[in-house]
Amino acid sequence: EDKVVQSPLSLVVHEGDTVTLNCSYEVTNFRSLLWYKQEKKAPTFLFMLTSSGIEKKSGRLSSILDKKELFSILNITATQTGDSAVYLCAVEAYFGNEKLTFGTGTRLTIIP
Amino acid sequence: ETGVTQTPRHLVMGMTNKKSLKCEQHLGHNAMYWYKQSAKKPLELMFVYNFKEQTENNSVPSRFSPECPNSSHLFLHLHTLQPEDSALYLCASSQYFDRGMDGYTFGSGTRLTVV
Repeated sequence: EDKVVQSPLSLVVHEGDTVTLNCSYEVTNFRSLLWYKQEKKAPTFLFMLTSSGIEKKSGRLSSILDKKELFSILNITATQTGDSAVYLCAVEAYFGNEKLTFGTGTRLTIIP
Repeated sequence: ETGVTQTPRHLVMGMTNKKSLKCEQHLGHNAMYWYKQSAKKPLELMFVYNFKEQTENNSVPSRFSPECPNSSHLFLHLHTLQPEDSALYLCASSQYFDRGMDGYTFGSGTRLTVV
């Protein structure tokens, strides 16, 4: 059974700090790993990673995938209060149909 | 707005009621999904439709019945639900096969409370 484990479950930091969120996975027929940010309801797409060692970057956020060790990290530098959210990691497998398996998420709280 | 619209935003229903959730996407995607998000649990895939055909039913009880009349619309029909079915129900869409790099797009969800 496909499995995604995120750590830590929750994190509280001060504005301006840098944070690293972790995601490890076990999946058959890996296709991609995705990161989402969920503030209130709709998870919003951050990154999709398919290749090892290639960093994806968007502003203060960056992510990298290690397909050998089966994990990914999401980094956020110079955190702001607007970064407070639940960050979801999901892996996509391909069995002729696409399936996304999600982790429970990391709840990030930024204190002003 | 993400391009995936869900209605209603909130729904309270009794265990004997019948109601439907609606999802509409304006992104030209050809795959649509229903997910359930319960407190402190990961998002759970319920149903997958590719090109209007149901291709996945993730062991969902028959009191949940999906309908996909075309590639832009998805419904979830609900009847005789249980209190443990209270959750956030999220719809998502994607481009099957040639997805590009934009992943799956989620709607804002319907917060369902069964009383």
